[in-house]
Amino acid sequence: GQNIDQPTEMTATEGAIVQINCTYQTSGFNGLFWYQQHAGEAPTFLSYNVLDGLEEKGRFSSFLSRSKGYSYLLLKELQMKDSASYLCAVTGGYQKVTFGTGTKLQVIP
Amino acid sequence: EAQVTQNPRYLITVTGKKLTVTCSQNMNHEYMSWYRQDPGLGLRQIYYSMNVEVTDKGDVPEGYKVSRKEKRNFPLILESPSPNQTSLYFCASSWAKGREAFFGQGTRLTVV
Repeated sequence: GQNIDQPTEMTATEGAIVQINCTYQTSGFNGLFWYQQHAGEAPTFLSYNVLDGLEEKGRFSSFLSRSKGYSYLLLKELQMKDSASYLCAVTGGYQKVTFGTGTKLQVIP
Repeated sequence: EAQVTQNPRYLITVTGKKLTVTCSQNMNHEYMSWYRQDPGLGLRQIYYSMNVEVTDKGDVPEGYKVSRKEKRNFPLILESPSPNQTSLYFCASSWAKGREAFFGQGTRLTVV
């Protein structure tokens, strides 16, 4: 089976940098997704990591270490609109996907 | 506009009354999935489909059925809904394994 852990809530200041961690234990692993979900809305795709290392996409970066079962999402130059839940998800074959419970990020002025 | 459309958006029903939530995508995606989202539990995959007539169980399939007769449609069927199926449901599609999933707007279902 799959077990995914991420912090429940985080608070950060506008303009700052925040790192949201995700650890996983899986019986099979193909890759790791990060999604953003604003309250009352559908999740939207942020990143997908298959290989170890850092992938940068604008203000957002995602890191993966397969040997450690660890990933993080890095958000730079935080804006108020970044207040949302961030979902870590692991895919272990075909389209079987397991999501973590999500990290609710609050950005304060 | 590329999109995944779910209907209805909101539904209140009674225990035992069969219902279907429809999902349609216009992106010619092969892969489609259904999820339910509950507070403290996150998104949990109910069923997924790799192509027409190919479906498989996710983590919480009990009490649900799906079908994939056409590539664009992936309805979720609750034959005999129960209150523990009260949840927010999302349909999603992607064009290949490991590619970003596009989610529908969600269906908030209440079973009384």
